[in-house]
Amino acid sequence: DVKVTQSSRYLVKRTGEKVFLECVQDMDHENMFWYRQDPGLGLRLIYFSYDVKMKEKGDIPEGYSVSREKKERFSLILESASTNQTSMYLCASSREPGQLGGELFFGEGSRLTVL
Amino acid sequence: GQNIDQPTEMTATEGAIVQINCTYQTSGFNGLFWYQQHAGEAPTFLSYNVLDGLEEKGRFSSFLSRSKGYSYLLLKELQMKDSASYLCAVLGRGNTNAGKSTFGDGTTLTVKP
Repeated sequence: DVKVTQSSRYLVKRTGEKVFLECVQDMDHENMFWYRQDPGLGLRLIYFSYDVKMKEKGDIPEGYSVSREKKERFSLILESASTNQTSMYLCASSREPGQLGGELFFGEGSRLTVL
Repeated sequence: GQNIDQPTEMTATEGAIVQINCTYQTSGFNGLFWYQQHAGEAPTFLSYNVLDGLEEKGRFSSFLSRSKGYSYLLLKELQMKDSASYLCAVLGRGNTNAGKSTFGDGTTLTVKP
């Protein structure tokens, strides 16, 4: 059974703290993505990666960074958390996009609250 | 950039048919996905269209017209468990959008007995 696993389902952090969100996939997918989901705004792409050590900015990268040191692992880092980063964070992976079977497989999400 | 529109909410009756529309404007197109998301859960894949026409998969079908920038998801024989949010996502192509799936805000479908 294919799986994308996010390290924490729920986190509460304070403003200014550094936050790490970890994501691991066991499907040997090349592509990995970080989205955030907010009511009324849908899913918005933060960063994505096509390969180890590769990263591309999505639509809302400000305030975030990412790391992909191994193919199966993609980490999202909030260098200094702010209250407007309170959100549901979803990690996803896929095979080569644009082909049948290139759909996204999502993790269960990490709900981050920044106080 | 990408712009994707779908209705915010729809309501339908158990056993009926419902059509959820999605229109998009994009600078590069490499396919369109539909995902289902139950409350509190992650989205799961339903369908993928890259060529014009209808793709059927059991009770669910998806249609694409690239010239019109239009897709719909058709759900037949509705069941209570179909109550969920349905997300339309366009897969981009080109320098700025290649490999990126851009999502609409989702359509919350409520199925009533």
